[in-house]
Amino acid sequence: GESVGLHLPTLSVQEGDNSIINCAYSNSASDYFIWYKQESGKGPQFIIDIRSNMDKRQGQRVTVLLNKTVKHLSLQIAATQPGDSAVYFCAENRGSGGSNYKLTFGKGTLLTVNP
Amino acid sequence: NAGVTQTPKFQVLKTGQSMTLQCAQDMNHNSMYWYRQDPGMGLRLIYYSASEGTTDKGEVPNGYNVSRLNKREFSLRLESAAPSQTSVYFCASSKKRDSQYSNQPQHFGDGTRLSIL
Repeated sequence: GESVGLHLPTLSVQEGDNSIINCAYSNSASDYFIWYKQESGKGPQFIIDIRSNMDKRQGQRVTVLLNKTVKHLSLQIAATQPGDSAVYFCAENRGSGGSNYKLTFGKGTLLTVNP
Repeated sequence: NAGVTQTPKFQVLKTGQSMTLQCAQDMNHNSMYWYRQDPGMGLRLIYYSASEGTTDKGEVPNGYNVSRLNKREFSLRLESAAPSQTSVYFCASSKKRDSQYSNQPQHFGDGTRLSIL
């Protein structure tokens, strides 16, 4: 899907499939990136993060890939489950001197998992 | 472990009324933040407090004030509410990222849903 105005990009997958959620960031000086999951009525929940000196980081069922050349970040979810249905946000840190203030968030992607 | 606690969860105000949103964290974090979330806009930083005793403006500070009461608590005040401030407000906290080699994600509360009529 495309992000136009108030509409979130959407991704619909079947239970058990792998999901890939993409994010483009704008600042080549950003050195820290985070993925958050937000369920309806809840606050963003930390999933996984990665620093710019890494290309890949794995967690439990999730992998984050960072391509600094094209300023692109992706979140891969293995064996997607209905409980993974949520809005996913990427965030970048544009702070200088190593501080993590002023995270800048993308607009989010709505993941729907069909049983 | 409560994490980040926000009160109230819901509030309806009339234009011109004032209100303070409360936030407390029990993770001994140095830094705290206030965001607003509007449909299609993602989260936008209103104010942040890098450490106890300091506060700084974020992306959208107009119409808001903040107080870092102590290390645990960070409040957001609307002095004269306007309909444009209808939004969901999130508080977050984190440890200070000491170097470019440390990972210190922000942790969020569940928000205050504020409607201004």
